[in-house]
Amino acid sequence: KAGVTQTPRYLIKTRGQQVTLSCSPISGHRSVSWYQQTPGQGLQFLFEYFSETQRNKGNFPGRFSGRQFSNSRSEMNVSTLELGDSALYLCASSPRGQADTQYFGPGTRLTVL
Amino acid sequence: QKEVEQNSGPLSVPEGAIASLNCTYSDRGSQSFFWYRQYSGKSPELIMSIYSNGDKEDGRFTAQLNKASQYVSLLIRDSQPSDSATYLCAVTSNQAGTALIFGKGTTLSVSS
Repeated sequence: KAGVTQTPRYLIKTRGQQVTLSCSPISGHRSVSWYQQTPGQGLQFLFEYFSETQRNKGNFPGRFSGRQFSNSRSEMNVSTLELGDSALYLCASSPRGQADTQYFGPGTRLTVL
Repeated sequence: QKEVEQNSGPLSVPEGAIASLNCTYSDRGSQSFFWYRQYSGKSPELIMSIYSNGDKEDGRFTAQLNKASQYVSLLIRDSQPSDSATYLCAVTSNQAGTALIFGKGTTLSVSS
């Protein structure tokens, strides 16, 4: 079974721009969570989607948003990028009935200049 | 603020030794506990989950949970150089729902 896929793998943007990252979960998984990983803060939870609905949200500003499609694929968007948004953005999917058991994709490395 | 604490290391052990990684958490409501391994430049890989007090073994890995003391540990037996990585402890809690709360990780170095 194929794992979680994320595109693109690398992105370079400038301050003020916006970015959209994509995630395809493991086949059959309907829950998708997003995390931000930085050297200083470690892994921090952004939000979780299940059946196209945001089920949980972390403590991030409104510039960070996401959505999920009917095929469980998910996107996250960051608007008005700041230098501090440079990070590895990780998507994780969970099997039915085990929402806390999360399998991570390879991540998208975002660099904001 | 619910926290998960880990010693950042590095923890250095010789090949063949037992590596012991520890994690404490602050939320007594935490229900699920996970260990992830992250190689440099890669994403976290789930290696163990544990939900009840006691030990859980999987191959060379043993996870130990003590809810009364609010700690969870990971033992790696017969450590190999390929085990050299950062090990992340993650927990869930009733308040955070399904969100994983991660520690900063412990870097393990296994020398041959």
